[in-house]
Amino acid sequence: EAGVAQSPRYKIIEKRQSVAFWCNPISGHATLYWYQQILGQGPKLLIQFQNNGVVDDSQLPKDRFSAERLKGVDSTLKIQPAKLEDSAVYLCASSFDPDRGRNEQFFGPGTRLTVL
Amino acid sequence: GDSVTQMEGPVTLSEEAFLTINCTYTATGYPSLFWYVQYPGEGLQLLLKATKADDKGSNKGFEATYRKETTSFHLEKGSVQVSDSAVYFCALSGSGDYKLSFGAGTTVTVRA
Repeated sequence: EAGVAQSPRYKIIEKRQSVAFWCNPISGHATLYWYQQILGQGPKLLIQFQNNGVVDDSQLPKDRFSAERLKGVDSTLKIQPAKLEDSAVYLCASSFDPDRGRNEQFFGPGTRLTVL
Repeated sequence: GDSVTQMEGPVTLSEEAFLTINCTYTATGYPSLFWYVQYPGEGLQLLLKATKADDKGSNKGFEATYRKETTSFHLEKGSVQVSDSAVYFCALSGSGDYKLSFGAGTTVTVRA
């Protein structure tokens, strides 16, 4: 079974530029999560989708971050414009159906963003 | 809100030594508790979990027991190997809430 795929793996941009990350979850997984992991800290949830609807985006800085999950499969996370403090690893995870007890989250390799 | 506090690292051990990483949590209700591991160059992987008080999760020689009275979920392994070198994260998900709240992570290095 293929795991969660993310691209790009690395990205370096200058502040005020825009950047987008892509995630392809495990086939059949209804729930998709985006986490931000700043160096030396644990991952922090940014947004959670159930199919193509948003379940929780309370921690998403909506003035600069946006995310979508068209057709309930792939997802993109965008930052526009980027700030220095956005330098982090952005992790995507998916789970099958947490409402039916199958809530183990499987993580992708992450995208390491450096904002200069 | 829900939070997790875990032992700060880094931790350096010799092969076959005993490993303990402390984890305590703050949450309402009855959270599920997890340990995730991140090996060098790889993504986060679930190591073990426990969903109710007194449950013991175990995998790859690692164990952790859900202690509600002390709000703890300490990770232990009796004899570590070089291949156990990784960053370990304690995490919880709240009752009816599937998002994970992570601790800061503990870097473990095992020397031959």
